[in-house]
Amino acid sequence: QSVLTQPPSASGTPGQRVTISCSGGSSNIGSSTVSWYQHLPGTAPKLLIYSNTQRPSGVPDRFSGSKSGTSASLAISGLQSEDEADYYCTAWDDSLNGVLFGGGTKLTVL
Amino acid sequence: QLQLQESGPGLVKPSETLSLTCSVSGGSVTSSAYYWGWFRQPPGIGLEWIGSMYYRGRTFSNPSLRSRVTLSVDASRNQVSLRLTSVTAADTAVFYCARGPRTDVFDYWGQGTLVTVSS
Repeated sequence: QSVLTQPPSASGTPGQRVTISCSGGSSNIGSSTVSWYQHLPGTAPKLLIYSNTQRPSGVPDRFSGSKSGTSASLAISGLQSEDEADYYCTAWDDSLNGVLFGGGTKLTVL
Repeated sequence: QLQLQESGPGLVKPSETLSLTCSVSGGSVTSSAYYWGWFRQPPGIGLEWIGSMYYRGRTFSNPSLRSRVTLSVDASRNQVSLRLTSVTAADTAVFYCARGPRTDVFDYWGQGTLVTVSS
C-alpha cells in the first residue's frame, strides 16, 4: 500500500475542472516537494508538475499543482478527451531515503 | 533531443538475475547535472521507483529492493544499467529508465520494456 494516498478514480466531462488529491505525511510531502506524472500504460510517463507548482515547458497551463501541509493536489481545467490517463503524485521521503509514488488515479473523461 | 531506450531479455527465470540497459542518445550519461532513474510497473499495479543515481555519485534505491538492486553507468557505451538479483514472479513488470534534474524529478523517459519472470 502506497504511503502517498490518491483516490483510485476520478472523472469529468469535457470542459470541466477536476482535482486529484495526494495525501502523505511529515516525512514526505510535509518536508519535500511534490511532482505529478501523467501515464498511459505502455507509454512513457510524462512529467506534468514539479516542485509543487512548476510546469515543464510544453505542459499546458490547464494543469496546475498546489501543496498545503502534508497534502497536494493536481487540478486540470478545461478537461479534454486526451487527458484520460493515470495520474501519479510523487515525493521524496526522508525516512525511507527514497522516492514515493502514490497509488495512481485513473481519470475518465465522460 | 534526448532519447532513452530500454533493452533486455523479455523473459527471466525465477531466482536468476534480471539485467537491463538504457541506451541514451542526444545527451551524455556522464553529465553531473542529471540523475538517472529506474522505475517499474507490474501488471495492473501502479508505478514504483526502483532507484536513482548520477555519474560517479551517490546511488539511492527503494528500501524494499535495496538488497537486490545495482545501478550503474557505462560511460563508454553511454548507457545506464539495472541489475536485479534473485527475481520472482512478483518482479514481472514493465521497466522504465528516465533522466531528471533531481533524484526525485524525471522529465525524460524511455518507452519501457516488459520483463516476465517465469520458468
